[in-house]
This record gives sequence, structure tokens and C-alpha cells, in this order.
Amino acid sequence: DVKVTQSSRYLVKRTGEKVFLECVQDMDHENMFWYRQDPGLGLRLIYFSYDVKMKEKGDIPEGYSVSREKKERFSLILESASTNQTSMYLCASTRQGSTTEAFFGQGTRLTVV
Amino acid sequence: AQKVTQAQTEISVVEKEDVTLDCVYETRDTTYYLFWYKQPPSGELVFLIRRNSFDEQNEISGRYSWNFQKSTSSFNFTITASQVVDSAVYFCALMTHKLSFGAGTTVTVRA
Repeated sequence: DVKVTQSSRYLVKRTGEKVFLECVQDMDHENMFWYRQDPGLGLRLIYFSYDVKMKEKGDIPEGYSVSREKKERFSLILESASTNQTSMYLCASTRQGSTTEAFFGQGTRLTVV
Repeated sequence: AQKVTQAQTEISVVEKEDVTLDCVYETRDTTYYLFWYKQPPSGELVFLIRRNSFDEQNEISGRYSWNFQKSTSSFNFTITASQVVDSAVYFCALMTHKLSFGAGTTVTVRA
């Protein structure tokens, strides 16, 4: 059973903390993505990666960074969490060339207080 | 730059009515993929369909059908004879070198 796993379902962090959100996929997919989902705004792309150590900014990268040291793992980092980063974060992966659909993790509900 | 526009924010219908969800996309790439996903109240994203840019064949799957028209950059989705279980947020997505989503359309089907 193919799987994308996000390390936490719920997280509560304080303003100014450094936050790590982890995503692991077991499908040997080349592409991995991080989104945030807010009501009425859909899924907005933060960063994506098409290979190990490769990353590209999405549409809303400010305040975030990413790391992809291994093919199966893609980490989202909030360098200094702020209350406006309270959101649902979704990780996804796809095969290169999109011969399959994107597979999603279960999401991490992050609250910054 | 690429963009996906779902102009309808919310649609409310009575059971057994048909529902059509609009999706318009923008890309300069000639090779791309289009998707529809459903997100029920439980929150998980459920894949519905994938189309590549070279395949304009429309498709019907049970009560679902899709109309892909490259000439108008549209990939519309119709639910025929809607049911309460169809209540969800529906997302259209476009993949080139990155995967972009529209803002979603919330469909509410009333009994």
C-alpha cells in the first residue's frame, strides 16, 4: 500500500520557535511538494523538489525553507514561526512525468501561539 | 507562470440535481497534466481523474464525467444525479514541472 507519511497530525508551537515538519514517502517518487491549506484559498504551493538536494520555490515560500537529503524524505522548516503560519500543511509526492496522480499525506495541523 | 482558476466558491444543490464544476488553467507548457481531487469533511484528498494535455477525450465514470477542452483551457467536472455523499470540496490541479491547485469549490448536496 503506497504511502506518504507526515510526522505529526497536530502541532502547537510558540511564536519564534523553529519548526520542522517531516514527510516520508515509500514509492520512490522523484517529486515532492509542500502545501498549506487555508479556508477559501485552496492548496498553495510553498516549495517543491524534483530530486535529492534540489528544491524550487513555490508560490508562497516566504518564511519557509526545505531540505531534501534523501529521496524519500522532504522536510519543511519554519525558521521562526509566526501566528500567520497557523495552517494545515500537506505533503505530496508524484513520479517524474506524472504518470500517476499525486499522493498526499494526512496533513499536519500547525497552530502557532 | 501557471495558474488554476475555480471561479465557483460554493455550490448548493438538492439531491438528484446535476452539478458542474468549472476549472480554467493557464500554462505555457505544451505537455501538462490535469487532475481533479475531492476532499470530503474527513479531510483526506481523494484522487478522481488525471488527464494529459494530448488526450482530449472526455470521460464518464459512473455519475462523474469530465470535459477537457484545450481550445478554452478548461477541464470541467460534472456530477450527475448528485447525492449527499458528494458533499465535499473539489479541487482542480495542473502539473507541469510543479503541481498547482485551484482554490476549490465547496459542493453541498441537500437531502
